[in-house]
Amino acid sequence: EVQLLDYGGGLVQPGGSLRLSCAASGFPFSSYAMSWVRQAPGKGLEWVASSSGSGDKRVYADSVRGRFTISRDNSKNMVYLQMNSLRAEDTAVYYCAQDWWLNWGQGTLVTVSS
Amino acid sequence: QAGLTQPPSVSKGLRQTATLTCTGNSNNVGNEGAAWLQQHQGDPPKLLFYRDDNRPSGISERLSASRSGNTASLTITGLQPEDEADYYCSAWDSSLSVWVFGGGTKLTVL
Repeated sequence: EVQLLDYGGGLVQPGGSLRLSCAASGFPFSSYAMSWVRQAPGKGLEWVASSSGSGDKRVYADSVRGRFTISRDNSKNMVYLQMNSLRAEDTAVYYCAQDWWLNWGQGTLVTVSS
Repeated sequence: QAGLTQPPSVSKGLRQTATLTCTGNSNNVGNEGAAWLQQHQGDPPKLLFYRDDNRPSGISERLSASRSGNTASLTITGLQPEDEADYYCSAWDSSLSVWVFGGGTKLTVL
């Protein structure tokens, strides 16, 4: 059974940093691209970043490029999202997801507020 | 990064048929196809179809998906109360190298 467990969210002040983690199991992790998607309160889904299976290719939404970094450790079946220079508009539930949205984590809430 | 276009809401009666649409362009929906996701309030999204009409195991046969050019469609027959949810489409944009989502359609079953 595929499982994605995302965690690491919390309350952070504007300009602060946070690192989200996602633990994967139940599938050949390094064979799949992984992504982060967020959903602001009461809003729709917004793609944030994706990493290829090997981790050598990473792409970002314009809204986070230069501030967020996606990375993965295939030896640990983990994917991460390092978020720097956080803004109020980054407040959302963040989900990790498997390639082509096959499976999703339960989400972790990030709140950026002073 | 412009998104895909979905109607904000659709309302249909119990046991009726609903068809939701998602319009993109030749670089996203018209290229590698679309995915459809269902999200109930408070839950993470759930994949219904990917690359147009590929159905993951466990997805009801009452649901079907198709594409014509740059527009993808999701059809739900015999609507049930549990079908009431938000539905999102998504596609990979090969020109911009980004994933795009539609704004979502809220399906109400009357």
